[in-house]
Amino acid sequence: QKEVEQNSGPLSVPEGAIASLNCTYSDRGSQSFFWYRQYSGKSPELIMSIYSNGDKEDGRFTAQLNKASQYVSLLIRDSQPSDSATYLCAVNKAGTASKLTFGTGTRLQVTL
Amino acid sequence: DVKVTQSSRYLVKRTGEKVFLECVQDMDHENMFWYRQDPGLGLRLIYFSYDVKMKEKGDIPEGYSVSREKKERFSLILESASTNQTSMYLCASSPGAGGPRRETQYFGPGTRLLVL
Repeated sequence: QKEVEQNSGPLSVPEGAIASLNCTYSDRGSQSFFWYRQYSGKSPELIMSIYSNGDKEDGRFTAQLNKASQYVSLLIRDSQPSDSATYLCAVNKAGTASKLTFGTGTRLQVTL
Repeated sequence: DVKVTQSSRYLVKRTGEKVFLECVQDMDHENMFWYRQDPGLGLRLIYFSYDVKMKEKGDIPEGYSVSREKKERFSLILESASTNQTSMYLCASSPGAGGPRRETQYFGPGTRLLVL
């Protein structure tokens, strides 16, 4: 089992719709969770972090965390073509100073 | 804003050459990281440094070494470049120490290395 799993996609959503990106992780001791956006040929850019169960909203983005189910998701409301990118989920490695384990990412395509 | 810079965006080297990739961060972060990213394999940690002159191997350290002589600077060295080291190399830094954002990693723009 991979430590952090994401569906590679592509996930295709029409402009204006809600995009839902999912991530599962295997380490029950993980406490910190991150979503990064990566445009083609560019480096990852932090979108959100979440540390507690429940929802965290930032503009059009909402991160959802369920530690019991070992599941973290990212919702993008009112999706725009500029949201088309690969979204990486990252989870801290329990017991390590500051290491993160990254999923391989979900490619999102927002269609006109 | 956190600023992480990398010495080159694109680099072409020949097999057997010694290659230096440099990374500089301006936020006094404790931790610095080197990753490589390949299609289908995601981000893989090569080396990690949690303090000046301190380093720790990541998941794929073979063929690489690192140097951290100053807090803001972390160098990745390919002792003898090989074609299978053709990749995108990403440097990142994180605050470390205490606080809720200590693990948040910020990435540089990346160096795309081609080894011929």
